[in-house]
Amino acid sequence: DAGVTQSPTHLIKTRGQQVTLRCSPKSGHDTVSWYQQALGQGPQFIFQYYEEEERQRGNFPDRFSGHQFPNYSSELNVNALLLGDSALYLCASSLASDTDTQYFGPGTRLTVL
Amino acid sequence: QKEVEQNSGPLSVPEGAIASLNCTYSDRGSQSFFWYRQYSGKSPELIMSIYSNGDKEDGRFTAQLNKASQYVSLLIRDSQPSDSATYLCAVSVDSNYQLIWGAGTKLIIKP
Repeated sequence: DAGVTQSPTHLIKTRGQQVTLRCSPKSGHDTVSWYQQALGQGPQFIFQYYEEEERQRGNFPDRFSGHQFPNYSSELNVNALLLGDSALYLCASSLASDTDTQYFGPGTRLTVL
Repeated sequence: QKEVEQNSGPLSVPEGAIASLNCTYSDRGSQSFFWYRQYSGKSPELIMSIYSNGDKEDGRFTAQLNKASQYVSLLIRDSQPSDSATYLCAVSVDSNYQLIWGAGTKLIIKP
C-alpha cells in the first residue's frame, strides 16, 4: 500500500522564478492538503483540495496556487518566488469523511536564492 | 486568531523515564487533537489522536485531554533514545478543514 509521495525531494530556485511541486495521495485517499513548514516552526496550512476544487485556503498570497487531478494527485505552484518562500513543503492526504486524520508525504525542501 | 502553544524545549529526559509534553489551545470550539512526531529533516508522523476528555493509551504513549482547561498532553513511558524528536500538537475546529499547529517541543532522551 503506497503512502503519500512527493516530488522533487529538493529544489533550488532563484528569486522571481516559478516552481511546481507534486503530490500523490495515499491509496484510497481523495483529499490533499498542502503545508509550508519553516525551520523551527510548525506547519502552516496553505490550502486543501477535494473533488478537484480548493475547499479551504490559509493565509497565503495568490502567488500560491494549486490543482487537483481526477486521480486525486495534486500540484502546488508558487510564482514570483521570494527568499522567504524557502521552506519544507508538505503534502498530506486524507479521506473526505475524515480530513482531520492526515498522513504526510516526505516533503519537498525548497531553497530560494 | 486561533493559536496552539507548546514549549519549544529542548526537554531533556533520561532513558527509561516518563516524558511529559504539553500543549494549550485558544479556540474553545476545537474538537479533535493530534500529536505528531517529527524527526529532523523528515515529515510529521501521526502518533496519537484524541477527541474526548480523559486519557487515551496506545502502547508507551498516553494522550490526555482537558477541554475545560484547554490543554492536551502526551506522556511517553519508558523513554527510548529513538523517541528523541520534535513533537507537534495539532488541533482542528469543527466545520474547519484545516489543522492548527503548534511550533513543536524538541525532546531529547539521554542514554
